[in-house]
Amino acid sequence: GQNIDQPTEMTATEGAIVQINCTYQTSGFNGLFWYQQHAGEAPTFLSYNVLDGLEEKGRFSSFLSRSKGYSYLLLKELQMKDSASYLCASMDSNYQLIWGAGTKLIIKP
Amino acid sequence: GAVVSQHPSWVICKSGTSVKIECRSLDFQATTMFWYRQFPKQSLMLMATSNEGSKATYEQGVEKDKFLINHASLTLSTLTVTSAHPEDSSFYICSVPPGLAEYNEQFFGPGTRLTVL
Repeated sequence: GQNIDQPTEMTATEGAIVQINCTYQTSGFNGLFWYQQHAGEAPTFLSYNVLDGLEEKGRFSSFLSRSKGYSYLLLKELQMKDSASYLCASMDSNYQLIWGAGTKLIIKP
Repeated sequence: GAVVSQHPSWVICKSGTSVKIECRSLDFQATTMFWYRQFPKQSLMLMATSNEGSKATYEQGVEKDKFLINHASLTLSTLTVTSAHPEDSSFYICSVPPGLAEYNEQFFGPGTRLTVL
């Protein structure tokens, strides 16, 4: 079956590091996406992983383990503007996305 | 990246009326577009896949006679919510599917907030 899980909400402090985890079960797995969504806005693309390992892009990094069906998004040097929902989505062989419910990240000063 | 626009950005209507939402790809030709719905504090739910020149493909549980999709050209897809009711109030977002971008990422329109009174 198709399933994807991520925590509902996380809280972190400005300047700190936070890791948002995502586990998935996807037939014909064809990669995993992370999107950022601010309240009332559409999602914006952050990262895409299809091979095992860590992809670093500035303050944001994304990791994938295909054998474990596991990914995480790592946010460093947190800023207040990073307060948003972070959506994990796996893609199947038909390019269909299976979306997680999103993790609401709250940044405190 | 691809630029996708939506119109209107928000709409308030009375129960029983129909509302049309437009999704345009501004800098490329899109043979396929996705329509999503998102309720507060929930994730994106795929409603249908819009196909240029042919019928849309609807997800299970989505009423095709209520949510009319027309993909008349390579740059325009429309979603019409017919006989809207308060439970149809939601955030509707269109996107361009993978295969058209470097990382296969989807590009989303800014969304349309529908409120049915």
